[in-house]
Amino acid sequence: DARVTQTPRHKVTEMGQEVTMRCQPILGHNTVFWYRQTMMQGLELLAYFRNRAPLDDSGMPKDRFSAEMPDATLATLKIQPSEPRDSAVYFCASGFTGLANYGYTFGSGTRLTVV
Amino acid sequence: GEDVEQSLFLSVREGDSSVINCTYTDSSSTYLYWYKQEPGAGLQLLTYIFSNMDMKQDQRLTVLLNKKDKHLSLRIADTQTGDSAIYFCAETESGGYQKVTFGIGTKLQVIP
Repeated sequence: DARVTQTPRHKVTEMGQEVTMRCQPILGHNTVFWYRQTMMQGLELLAYFRNRAPLDDSGMPKDRFSAEMPDATLATLKIQPSEPRDSAVYFCASGFTGLANYGYTFGSGTRLTVV
Repeated sequence: GEDVEQSLFLSVREGDSSVINCTYTDSSSTYLYWYKQEPGAGLQLLTYIFSNMDMKQDQRLTVLLNKKDKHLSLRIADTQTGDSAIYFCAETESGGYQKVTFGIGTKLQVIP
């Protein structure tokens, strides 16, 4: 089965450090999302790319977060500097959007703990 | 903006049917989805329904869509302990972006 691969699965870092999370979307998918999941807020959309172009990053704290797709096989989400309130599970999802939209495939997530 | 609402918790006995409900606000929603999340895992797409359909059945899963009331439900027949998970309702935003709006998730507990 095709899958979305996220690395690392777990990350513990100290406040103020840079964190980079990586995602390999499914080959052929043209849409990539980054979501953050916490108990309090549920799933929050952070960034959204189609054909590698950023379409929406309004959910992302711009001063410390950045998301990029340097090529079709890699999406990155970077936090610099990290803060304890960034502790959450970060999911990447990919899919194909066009005339139809049959849903997205999620990765297993990166569990980030900032101490 | 778009909003999707779900109840937080549902408890059922093994072998019974489970019905998870969801309401949404975007009358232009084109696709609606049910995702399942097991502990420590990502979301898994269970099924979707196109807005011109009223019902979709897939093995033990039945999705009902009431467009007039903007109500979506997921029925799981013969619920098993392996069905214990969080279930998310979601819809696509109308228009070209097609980003997905998720509900808060309903935690289904199956009692043996």
